[in-house]
Amino acid sequence: EPEVTQTPSHQVTQMGQEVILRCVPISNHLYFYWYRQILGQKVEFLVSFYNNEISEKSEIFDDQFSVERPDGSNFTLKIRSTKLEDSAMYFCASGGTGRNSPLHFGNGTRLTVT
Amino acid sequence: QQQVKQSPQSLIVQKGGIPIINCAYENTAFDYFPWYQQFPGKGPALLIAIRPDVSEKKEGRFTISFNKSAKQFSLHIMDSQPGDSATYFCAASRVPVGSGSRLTFGEGTQLTVNP
Repeated sequence: EPEVTQTPSHQVTQMGQEVILRCVPISNHLYFYWYRQILGQKVEFLVSFYNNEISEKSEIFDDQFSVERPDGSNFTLKIRSTKLEDSAMYFCASGGTGRNSPLHFGNGTRLTVT
Repeated sequence: QQQVKQSPQSLIVQKGGIPIINCAYENTAFDYFPWYQQFPGKGPALLIAIRPDVSEKKEGRFTISFNKSAKQFSLHIMDSQPGDSATYFCAASRVPVGSGSRLTFGEGTQLTVNP
């Protein structure tokens, strides 16, 4: 069964550094998402992406965040200057085009900002 | 208005029991209500979903009950097994997620099924 793959599985970075989290969505999907989950808390929406542009973003997704689909397969989340509170599990998800097309989540990247 | 409230926070049942997890929402524009199952170290995986035009949906041992007037929905797991031990999240979206809409998640319920 096709799956969403994310790399790396764990990223440790120092406060103020830039990080790029990478995702390979399912190949025929058209909608791409980033969610995050702070330890012990609920999963929170960050951004959705369709047709090479952001379709919706949350209040969490400020100017420090950006997304890109640099080629036909990868989907990236960049955090320009990481803060301690950015420490979380970041999940990439992708979805098809059907009315009830489910979201498929990757296994996440654990980001630790020290 | 975008919140989804989930309870209980944790739940312990014996094998064969029927755990029930409840969720309530505020935004009447929500149109799609999925439940996700998450095992440690893994991403959420879709378990079952319902639209507001039906009051119940059953898939295998998992049943969603939906009460549109009360703005509540719940997950029932029949004949629960130790392998069902996981964190369960309810969620809601304004339009079907195939259109790129965000999912709003509940806080999660950590279910433990004892052998």
